[in-house]
Amino acid sequence: DAEITQSPRHKITETGRQVTLACHQTWNHNNMFWYRQDLGHGLRLIHYSYGVHDTNKGEVSDGYSVSRSNTEDLPLTLESAASSQTSVYFCASSEIGANTEAFFGQGTRLTVV
Amino acid sequence: GDSVTQMEGPVTLSEEAFLTINCTYTATGYPSLFWYVQYPGEGLQLLLKATKADDKGSNKGFEATYRKETTSFHLEKGSVQVSDSAVYFCALSLYGGSQGNLIFGKGTKLSVKP
Repeated sequence: DAEITQSPRHKITETGRQVTLACHQTWNHNNMFWYRQDLGHGLRLIHYSYGVHDTNKGEVSDGYSVSRSNTEDLPLTLESAASSQTSVYFCASSEIGANTEAFFGQGTRLTVV
Repeated sequence: GDSVTQMEGPVTLSEEAFLTINCTYTATGYPSLFWYVQYPGEGLQLLLKATKADDKGSNKGFEATYRKETTSFHLEKGSVQVSDSAVYFCALSLYGGSQGNLIFGKGTKLSVKP
């Protein structure tokens, strides 16, 4: 069965360190997204990609970067982790189009100390 | 800008009670509307969707009608079960330049007591 997986599921890191969260999907979807989930804010879009070598900034992109070298993967990098980036991160993928279902990974809980 | 507003939670109901979670939206174009559900410790999964005005989405006893005149997409269920306890997110997606990008409400936590 096709799926979307995130790793690690939990991560504790120190302020200032570079951290990369992995996202891998086997749906062969063109669209991939990264969201962060925080109490009182719901899910907010960090970065997204509509295909290989395409990346775009979302609502809360400062301090984050992504790269898309193949269809399956969209890793999210925190260049210099800050306590404000403590959150739960969700990756999602979808077919092209505004009325298609997005499939979500199970999330990565990141704590920056 | 485009946004989704849904009722604040948490919502606590007894089993077999009627559920309504209100959702309204602001969009410059013609959005598709979605309800996603998040069970404890899991990612989000699609519950139902509607792609044009007056469409009704339904799944697992839940339903919501796309009301363009009131810019609303309220979620309803006639008789909730303990297994419906979860966080519910209303979302919209726009055609055009942001195809597939979902804009979420803040989520409503539902707890159903036996």
